[in-house]
Amino acid sequence: GNSVTQMEGPVTLSEEAFLTINCTYTATGYPSLFWYVQYPGEGLQLLLKATKADDKGSNKGFEATYRKETTSFHLEKGSVQVSDSAVYFCALANFGNEKLTFGTGTRLTIIP
Amino acid sequence: GAGVSQSPSNKVTEKGKDVELRCDPISGHTALYWYRQSLGQGLEFLIYFQGNSAPDKSGLPSDRFSAERTGGSVSTLTIQRTQQEDSAVYLCASSPGNLGETQYFGPGTRLLVL
Repeated sequence: GNSVTQMEGPVTLSEEAFLTINCTYTATGYPSLFWYVQYPGEGLQLLLKATKADDKGSNKGFEATYRKETTSFHLEKGSVQVSDSAVYFCALANFGNEKLTFGTGTRLTIIP
Repeated sequence: GAGVSQSPSNKVTEKGKDVELRCDPISGHTALYWYRQSLGQGLEFLIYFQGNSAPDKSGLPSDRFSAERTGGSVSTLTIQRTQQEDSAVYLCASSPGNLGETQYFGPGTRLLVL
């Protein structure tokens, strides 16, 4: 079956640091890959997505590249801000089976 | 409305009682999903609707859980004879229904079973 493994948290960084949150997956076929973010007190919202191998999703300075050869979709940002403090979830969905399979989530805290 | 709405936002109930959770998807979205977010299990899929049909109910944890959708819009998730392990945040999401489309999540219903 499908599964998503992401970096255990919590992660604490200083403002302007470089961020990487690792995500690897197991799936049949060619899934779509997503990063969702949950800011404090708010609902889940899509951060970025990629639907095929070598695609790069990007939004708000965050990027992730769909790497089929390593079955990975690592999230990166070059310079984090305090406002990036949130819980980040990696997820996948198979073509034709649209339910999302989530990783366990990584809590990110950015200190000024 | 502008987004997915859910009600109630919080629900406290006693063990053994039945509860109903409601989801109003984004207007025009044909696909609707229920997920559960709990400390021990993370984010889990429960059930998926396309229109009023549920082609995937594989995530419902027991026969105490059921869901329906009427008019291709509002959905209700019902939990009968609630147990303490049912305590969680229940999330609803909707999408336009085309393959690969983004799912948009509601704020969730926080359920506490005493």
